[in-house]
Amino acid sequence: AVQMTQSPSSLSASVGDRVTITCRASQYIRNDLGWYQQKPGKAPKVLIFAASSLQSGVPSRFSGSGSGTDFTLTISTLQPEDLATYYCLQDYSYPWTFGQGTRVEIK
Amino acid sequence: QVQLVESGGGVVQPGRSLRLSCAASGFAFNSDAMHWVRQAPGKGLEWVAFISYDGSNKYYADSVKGRFTVSRDDSKNTLYLQMNSLRPEDTAMYYCARQTGNFILDYWGQGTLVTVSS
Repeated sequence: AVQMTQSPSSLSASVGDRVTITCRASQYIRNDLGWYQQKPGKAPKVLIFAASSLQSGVPSRFSGSGSGTDFTLTISTLQPEDLATYYCLQDYSYPWTFGQGTRVEIK
Repeated sequence: QVQLVESGGGVVQPGRSLRLSCAASGFAFNSDAMHWVRQAPGKGLEWVAFISYDGSNKYYADSVKGRFTVSRDDSKNTLYLQMNSLRPEDTAMYYCARQTGNFILDYWGQGTLVTVSS
């Protein structure tokens, strides 16, 4: 199974900051990666698919990049409502696998 | 609007079985692949199982292979997860999710909690 290593596990940033989360795959996964946001007590919500495509309705401050094994989720200007845990998910091969998650806190 | 509603969770003893259901509405259920994802209390997301739109392909996480079975009844617009030989480590919130053509899990249910404990 493809292992997804996500970092950092948590971060604290101020409103307006630029935030970067990374995910590394244990093997080549093309650009078959999505990013999901999970707010406390809620189901996850897709932000980015195919590594860099913004899901409809998601604010443009969210962006994704990368291919092969290294991927990045960037929040260009952190907002208070971005308090959440973020997960990468590879859909290149079964079993699909999530990263361990990054908890984003607001200072 | 698209709705996914899970049910069937509860407290069960180790070694016993449980069947989860996911009732779908607001879309052509028989045209979409579906997934199960779980989350242990205070932990991250874990992908569990996949079933293709026509039920011909199924895949499982290694942690549940041989114990869990995913199925669907398109006449009832319902997805199932049959869970046998349950273990304490299967304790989690179980979500069903719809897959789009871009391999996105775009709609999720609210989850149903399974607790495996003696």
